[in-house]
Amino acid sequence: AQSVAQPEDQVNVAEGNPLTVKCTYSVSGNPYLFWYVQYPNRGLQFLLKYITGDNLVKGSYGFEAEFNKSQTSFHLKKPSALVSDSALYFCAVVGADGLTFGKGTHLIIQP
Amino acid sequence: NAGVTQTPKFRILKIGQSMTLQCTQDMNHNYMYWYRQDPGMGLKLIYYSVGAGITDKGEVPNGYNVSRSTTEDFPLRLELAAPSQTSVYFCASSASYGYTFGSGTRLTVV
Repeated sequence: AQSVAQPEDQVNVAEGNPLTVKCTYSVSGNPYLFWYVQYPNRGLQFLLKYITGDNLVKGSYGFEAEFNKSQTSFHLKKPSALVSDSALYFCAVVGADGLTFGKGTHLIIQP
Repeated sequence: NAGVTQTPKFRILKIGQSMTLQCTQDMNHNYMYWYRQDPGMGLKLIYYSVGAGITDKGEVPNGYNVSRSTTEDFPLRLELAAPSQTSVYFCASSASYGYTFGSGTRLTVV
């Protein structure tokens, strides 16, 4: 069965600094990978996905993710963090029964 | 274009009561899913469906039932509510690796 690991429960970054939220995956066959963001008391918002092609995927709100097959990773990145980026971020991988999610990482951007 | 619509948004149930969480999509997606979200646990799959008349269990199906009589609707039934079912429930639909989520139902069982 497929699985996703987000090793950090929380990531703290100063505003204006680059941010990285880590994700590693395990799946049979080609991986199809997603990042979602959730603001308090809200639903899931799609950020970006990797299906095939370029290993650097660009998404919404200035986020991007780097797919690394050898390290089975799909880390989320942003060059310059904003306070408004503070939220809960989920990595997910597609399996036979839909998306399997990681436990989520709280991203806190400090002014 | 409404996408995936979930009702109700909030509900408080007493232990032992039953209820149905409604989910409707207007995108003609064959695949539909129910997830529950608990703090620090991410989203766990309860049930999913690959088309009308076909449903299958996910990771945490105990205490729940589903049906899929039409492409549009995928209701989730709780027969005997328990405090462990206090959670936020999300319905989703998908086609061609595009997933659309509803806004969620926050359920509290007391």
